[in-house]
Amino acid sequence: DIQMTQSPSSLSASVGDRVTITCRASEGIKNDLGWYQQKPGQAPKCLIYAASILQSGVPSRFSGSGYGTQFTLTISSLQPEDFATYYCLQHNGHPRTFGQGTKVDIK
Amino acid sequence: QVQLQESGPGLVTPSETLSLTCTVSGDSVSRSNYYWTWIRQPPGKGPEWIGYVSYTGGTKYNPSLESRVTLSLDTSTNHFSLKLRSVTAADTAVYYCARELLTPVSRYYFYYMDVWGNGTTVTVSS
Repeated sequence: DIQMTQSPSSLSASVGDRVTITCRASEGIKNDLGWYQQKPGQAPKCLIYAASILQSGVPSRFSGSGYGTQFTLTISSLQPEDFATYYCLQHNGHPRTFGQGTKVDIK
Repeated sequence: QVQLQESGPGLVTPSETLSLTCTVSGDSVSRSNYYWTWIRQPPGKGPEWIGYVSYTGGTKYNPSLESRVTLSLDTSTNHFSLKLRSVTAADTAVYYCARELLTPVSRYYFYYMDVWGNGTTVTVSS
């Protein structure tokens, strides 16, 4: 299985802060990676696919980058509705595997 | 607008079979490039991919569950199903159905899960 290692596991930030979350794959996955946001009691929602393509309707303050084994999700200016848990998910091989998640909460 | 809705028992007895159905509305389960997926999330933990059944009826399973799981597609009623045998307390989770879409971007194709159900809580207990 391809292991996905996310960091940090949690972070505290203020509205307006720039936030960066990283995800590392145990082997090269090209750019077959998505970023998903999950709020309490809700299903995950795709923000970014193909490592850097913004899903329709997702605000432009979210961006993604990376290729191979190293990937980054950036929120340029954190908004109140962005406090949530974020997961990376690799779509390169089977089984699909998620990172452990990064919980973003209010400082 | 495509919507997915999970249904099934919220309580399953240990050693029995967990059976869930995902009803798809707004699109056809037999449309090309759709992979109908089950994911579960134990309390307080991250999501775990269970597997998918494709628009052709082909399946892929997580090896950690493969010996106990069967996914199927019913094109006549536009739904897909999960059966997980010999359940234990470790199978207690929120179970989500989702659509994994294969989409073209320039010369390449990419997957992502673009539509999810709301999830259904399944507890394994006697």
